[in-house]
Amino acid sequence: EIVMTQSPATLSVSPGERATLSCRASQSVSSNLAWYQQKPGQAPRLLIYGASTRATGIPARFSGSGSGTEFTLTISSLQSEDFAVYYCQQYNNWPFFGQGTKLEIK
Amino acid sequence: QVQLVQSGAEVKKPGSSVKVSCKASGGTFSSYAISWVRQAPGQGLEWMGGIIPIFGTANYAQKFQGRVTITADESTSTAYMELSSLRSEDTAVYYCARGLSRTTVGPFDYWGQGTLVTVSS
Repeated sequence: EIVMTQSPATLSVSPGERATLSCRASQSVSSNLAWYQQKPGQAPRLLIYGASTRATGIPARFSGSGSGTEFTLTISSLQSEDFAVYYCQQYNNWPFFGQGTKLEIK
Repeated sequence: QVQLVQSGAEVKKPGSSVKVSCKASGGTFSSYAISWVRQAPGQGLEWMGGIIPIFGTANYAQKFQGRVTITADESTSTAYMELSSLRSEDTAVYYCARGLSRTTVGPFDYWGQGTLVTVSS
């Protein structure tokens, strides 16, 4: 089983600033990596797949990078609606998730 | 527009089973994988298993092998997840989710609204 590790567990950033979230795989997943956003009481929403492709309707301030075992989600200028929990997921084989990063307002 | 609509909340006794449904509309049901993901209170997302309806064979995360059964009925575009031998740790919101492409189980582009399953004596 591929283990996904996200860091940090909690990230405090001010609105308008940049946020950088990390995800590491225990073995290579190529570019088969997705990012999700989840707000309280809601189902997750797909943001990024293929490590760097934005899903339909996702604003350009969200970008993903990386391949192999190291991945990054960057939110270029945080809006109030971006404060949420973010999960990475590898789907190189069975689709397991990381434990999540909570992005909170500083 | 694809929609996944799940059955309602359940309260179950320890040792019993629960079966949650997920009805799809607005898209091609048979060719895309449907997965089940659960989220315990205050915790992260956990993939339980999935099925591609046209093939009918489910795959399960090792943690749930022997306790979960995922099926799909193409005639009603509905997927089901049954979890047996319930214990308090199974209290969670259970989501169904559809795979983005026909060739991989993940990632998930459409999600159901979630079904809260509470296990309590």
